[in-house]
Amino acid sequence: SQQGEEDPQALSIQEGENATMNCSYKTSINNLQWYRQNSGRGLVHLILIRSNEREKHSGRLRVTLDTSKKSSSLLITASRAADTASYFCATGYSTLTFGKGTMLLVSP
Amino acid sequence: NAGVTQTPKFQVLKTGQSMTLQCAQDMNHEYMSWYRQDPGMGLRLIHYSVGAGITDQGEVPNGYNVSRSTTEDFPLRLLSAAPSQTSVYFCASSSPLATKETQYFGPGTRLLVL
Repeated sequence: SQQGEEDPQALSIQEGENATMNCSYKTSINNLQWYRQNSGRGLVHLILIRSNEREKHSGRLRVTLDTSKKSSSLLITASRAADTASYFCATGYSTLTFGKGTMLLVSP
Repeated sequence: NAGVTQTPKFQVLKTGQSMTLQCAQDMNHEYMSWYRQDPGMGLRLIHYSVGAGITDQGEVPNGYNVSRSTTEDFPLRLLSAAPSQTSVYFCASSSPLATKETQYFGPGTRLLVL
């Protein structure tokens, strides 16, 4: 069964705008990861946040985690057309449980 | 390093045929997993292995077999293909010491079962 559920399912923005995606999960976690998937390609790890962290940054990415609400958000600032992809949250250690993903379209 | 490689990239099967999807990694990762991705369903775990000679079932194992005779290779066998197995299959690897929870994914195999 899916552990995470991303929201929204699809997001369309203009270049330069910020994109925010949310993920809710069901059970307690040790960490939460975000992955990106370009069309027809494998998944690429973006960022990991541990359960004792509330916020983490990596370049234009900002991830927050609220364990009391069992939710996380991924913010991509100053979006570029190259950010067009599907984004997934995932939890687990040796194996991962993924949400259904958010499709992001960034138009020039 | 080539990372995680998968062959073939595309495959068309008829119902009842069998085949093996190949996965190899050259990063000496202990953990390897197979996922399938269906439209609107995200990725679901089929089988996984935490080391050579050790395999276990994931969320959707029915109709698939795996074995792990070496650290590098983790083939996925479809015993008797069914249209419900039409999907994109991804192999992934990780290491509890080197990569911790982060998994590295192959490019995927697109399978169509007629």
